[in-house]
Amino acid sequence: GESVGLHLPTLSVQEGDNSIINCAYSNSASDYFIWYKQESGKGPQFIIDIRSNMDKRQGQRVTVLLNKTVKHLSLQIAATQPGDSAVYFCAENWTGGFKTIFGAGTRLFVKA
Amino acid sequence: DTAVSQTPKYLVTQMGNDKSIKCEQNLGHDTMYWYKQDSKKFLKIMFSYNNKELIINETVPNRFSPKSPDKAHLNLHINSLELGDSAVYFCASSQEGGRVTDEQFFGPGTRLTVL
Repeated sequence: GESVGLHLPTLSVQEGDNSIINCAYSNSASDYFIWYKQESGKGPQFIIDIRSNMDKRQGQRVTVLLNKTVKHLSLQIAATQPGDSAVYFCAENWTGGFKTIFGAGTRLFVKA
Repeated sequence: DTAVSQTPKYLVTQMGNDKSIKCEQNLGHDTMYWYKQDSKKFLKIMFSYNNKELIINETVPNRFSPKSPDKAHLNLHINSLELGDSAVYFCASSQEGGRVTDEQFFGPGTRLTVL
């Protein structure tokens, strides 16, 4: 069964603050991890990814951290903006797997 | 231009009916997917096709039949619709499913409501 994430928690942050969204996975064979953002009424959209040979990757205002020891993934959003309000999914994949397993998602609310 | 498109966006139908959802991608990708998203936002893969061949079938009832006439299209036909089929269905595509780095591009979704 699915192993990435367990619940749909909600995170509420003030505009301008930093946000941290966490995700747990359990498949040790997973070697590729992705964060997707899903705005209301739309499909998920790629944000950032990381391979298992890395522990940190930075994008524009976003950083993904991977801790393989405890099978934990996090997404950090700097200076959170109202447009960041969405549901965020972590997902895992493995070489040759042809299948991406999505976590349950975290809803982010940004208060103006 | 829309990369991954689905039609219809909304579908309301009676229990027992048969319906189809169409998906097209203009990205030149080799792999296409169908996902079901329930009311709790959980995304679950249903099917995956690579170069028109079925490679993933996630214990989906055989009332669901995907059809890929060519690499750019993956349609989903559902027979004898049930109340539990109500959900949002997403089509997605990726360059080459199975590679280590394989971002998926999602369509806008089709909200299916079975009455």
